[in-house]
Amino acid sequence: EPEVTQTPSHQVTQMGQEVILRCVPISNHLYFYWYRQILGQKVEFLVSFYNNEISEKSEIFDDQFSVERPDGSNFTLKIRSTKLEDSAMYFCASSESTPPLHFGNGTRLTVT
Amino acid sequence: AQSVTQPDIHITVSEGASLELRCNYSYGATPYLFWYVQSPGQGLQLLLKYFSGDTLVQGIKGFEAEFKRSQSSFNLRKPSVHWSDAAEYFCANQAGTALIFGKGTTLSVSS
Repeated sequence: EPEVTQTPSHQVTQMGQEVILRCVPISNHLYFYWYRQILGQKVEFLVSFYNNEISEKSEIFDDQFSVERPDGSNFTLKIRSTKLEDSAMYFCASSESTPPLHFGNGTRLTVT
Repeated sequence: AQSVTQPDIHITVSEGASLELRCNYSYGATPYLFWYVQSPGQGLQLLLKYFSGDTLVQGIKGFEAEFKRSQSSFNLRKPSVHWSDAAEYFCANQAGTALIFGKGTTLSVSS
């Protein structure tokens, strides 16, 4: 069964550094998403992306964040200047149209 | 704003016993509702979804859920729990292109 893959599985970075989280969505899917789960809290929507532009974003997704589909297969989330509170599990997801979404296994980001 | 409430943070059931996990949603003339399961270190796996039609929906792994508009609920059930069902369960409601998740219920299974 096709799946969403995310790399790396765990990333450690220092506060103030830029990080790029990578995702390869399911190949025939058209909608892409990023979600975040801070330890012990609920999964929170960050952004949805369709037709090479942001469809919707949450209040969490401020100027510090950006998304890109640099080629036909990858979908990335960039965090420009990481803060301690950005430490979380970041999930990429994709869908053929709108939900249901298929999620990757996540990237655990630790900001020190 | 739309919200999803899962009143139970942690539930423990005996293996072989029945299970019901509660979920209430706040808004939606025709809500699109989902249950996902997350095993430790894993991503979110879709168990089942409700868009319209029959209010009792069947999912994978023997799970089912019943949509009750009058109670704004979408509770997840399983008649006989297996040890491998121990995981965290999330209810979600669609809002635009986003999913709004509840805080999750952790299920422990005792032998």
